Parts: sequence; structure tokens; C-alpha cells
Amino acid sequence: QVQLVESGGGVVQPGTSLRISCAASGFTFSSYGMHWVRQAPGKGLEWVAAISYDGSDKYYADSVKGRFTVSRDNSKNTLYLQMNSLRADDTAVYYCAKDLFRRHGFDIWGQGTMVTVSS
Amino acid sequence: QSALTQPASVSGSPGQSITISCTGTSSDVGGYNYVSWYQQHPGKAPKLMIYDVSNRPSGVSNRFSGSKSGNTASLTISGLQAEDEADYYCNSYTSSSTRVFGGGTKLTVL
Repeated sequence: QVQLVESGGGVVQPGTSLRISCAASGFTFSSYGMHWVRQAPGKGLEWVAAISYDGSDKYYADSVKGRFTVSRDNSKNTLYLQMNSLRADDTAVYYCAKDLFRRHGFDIWGQGTMVTVSS
Repeated sequence: QSALTQPASVSGSPGQSITISCTGTSSDVGGYNYVSWYQQHPGKAPKLMIYDVSNRPSGVSNRFSGSKSGNTASLTISGLQAEDEADYYCNSYTSSSTRVFGGGTKLTVL
């Protein structure tokens, strides 16, 4: 079935780096734009980053621009988020989400991976 | 990239209808018909309920409907059921080709 599975979360110290992944299955990964969305504990959803189907276009929220990099490997059906210079306010559950085809909405979501930035 | 504005909470009795608003600017909600709505139950991933302002994905009840006027989008839930109790978020495409969420609305079914 169609699914997204995130991995790579954990506890890291401020100022360090972490890369999280999202493995896709059940659909033609290389045909869809993908997004990262995060949710801090007890807070609302925050859009983080997007990447086009072929990786040629990337977009970021102001809060992560210059620190986070979104990428994808279509041969491995995997989406990545490289997070550098992590701060305490980056602590959140990170979800990957799939774009609808030629429409605007995130129709498939992963279960999320928790990233905790703490000394 | 300011968050879209949603009421913090709304409530209604079973069988009633409620509407959740989502206010942005001409650079996001008002500028494009690209508003989507998500339902999130505690501890769960969000679920797409409406895309492109008023379209329902397959499998979503027709009790959920969306609309837009100017810079404000709305989600209406008719025939409220206990299972509708959840957090709801709007999202819009922006003029920077980014996306922005609303702050979220907690729906309580009395």
C-alpha cells in the first residue's frame, strides 16, 4: 500500500547536525513533489521544506533557510532532510508528506520521527 | 511567512454544523485557489480533508466542505459526529512558492 516511513530522529546537542529520511513505497515516487512538515510538542503544524518531483526546485521556510537542506534519491525512493546548526526550537516531530498530482494538498503522510535538540 | 489565522477553538453539538475560518493575505489565501485542510487526532499524523479550496479526496465524508471569499477560507462540517472532534489546520500556497499553515483550531463536540 501507499506509505511513507520516516527514520533517523533522535536526541542531539545544539549546534550539531542530523539527517532524517523518508522511505516511500506503493506509488511512483519520482512523479511527485514532497514536503517536510514539523510539529513542536503541544504546538501546531509548521511547513518546513519542499522539493519538486525531480529535485530541481527546492523551497524552505524562513525559520530553516540556510540551515536545512531537502534532497531526494529517486533511485532509492527516499526523501532526506539535512539539518545543520540545530537549535532547541527545532525540537519537533518531523513528518514527510506527498503532494497531490497537479493539485495542492498533502495526501499521504508518514508517522513522523522525533527530533530533540537538547544539551 | 506569517501563519494563517484560525480561531483557537470551536464547538458544536452532535448533528449541528460548524465553520472554521482561515484568514491570510492576498499573497497566499487570497491570491490562489490552493487552500487545503487537515484533520489531526491526538498522537496521529494529519489527514487531508479538502484540497484546492473545495475538493474532497476520495474517502472523505461529504459532510466536510470548503470555500473561500477574498483572503478568508472556510471549512464547514455538517451533521457533527463525535469522531469529528480533533484539531483542524488550513494550509495555503504562497507567492514565494512556499506553503504556510494556520495556527490550528480545536474542535470540541459537546
